[in-house]
Amino acid sequence: DVKVTQSSRYLVKRTGEKVFLECVQDMDHENMFWYRQDPGLGLRLIYFSYDVKMKEKGDIPEGYSVSREKKERFSLILESASTNQTSMYLCASRRTGGRTQYFGPGTRLTVL
Amino acid sequence: QQQVKQSPQSLIVQKGGIPIINCAYENTAFDYFPWYQQFPGKGPALLIAIRPDVSEKKEGRFTISFNKSAKQFSLHIMDSQPGDSATYFCAAKGNTGFQKLVFGTGTRLLVSP
Repeated sequence: DVKVTQSSRYLVKRTGEKVFLECVQDMDHENMFWYRQDPGLGLRLIYFSYDVKMKEKGDIPEGYSVSREKKERFSLILESASTNQTSMYLCASRRTGGRTQYFGPGTRLTVL
Repeated sequence: QQQVKQSPQSLIVQKGGIPIINCAYENTAFDYFPWYQQFPGKGPALLIAIRPDVSEKKEGRFTISFNKSAKQFSLHIMDSQPGDSATYFCAAKGNTGFQKLVFGTGTRLLVSP
């Protein structure tokens, strides 16, 4: 059974802080994704990675960066958090050539 | 052209009713159309999916209807139950490049007892 875990369920940070969101998957998937989920806007892709140290911008990469040093781990970094980054962040993974994307439980980030 | 438009945004039905959620797309390069179900406090999980070479797929009480010429697809939930109350996302995946999933904006379904 595929498991995608995220380091925190809830996080409260202050404006200007550097924020790290961690995601780990245990199924040796090549592809990992970070989305943010906002009411009425659905799931929007921030960044994805198709291999270790490889990354591609998604639809809304501004204000975010990512790191993938190991295959199982994909980190989302907010260099200087802002209030408009308050959201639910979802990590997902998928095998190359696979159709099913597996999501973690999400991290609800509040930036004050 | 990469968008998937989903409606309605929210839906309330009584137990036993048949909620229908609709999605439309423009990109004819999409070749896989999944629906994801998300319960409160959980991440989305794959519910059912269809390829464009079939017009309908059923899995239990869940049915996808697919109209290739109209570039539309819909989710029907037969004999809906309160436990079906969740947010539903349609999505589409292309067959080129990184084959990213493009998600609809979601439908919040409430099935009243």
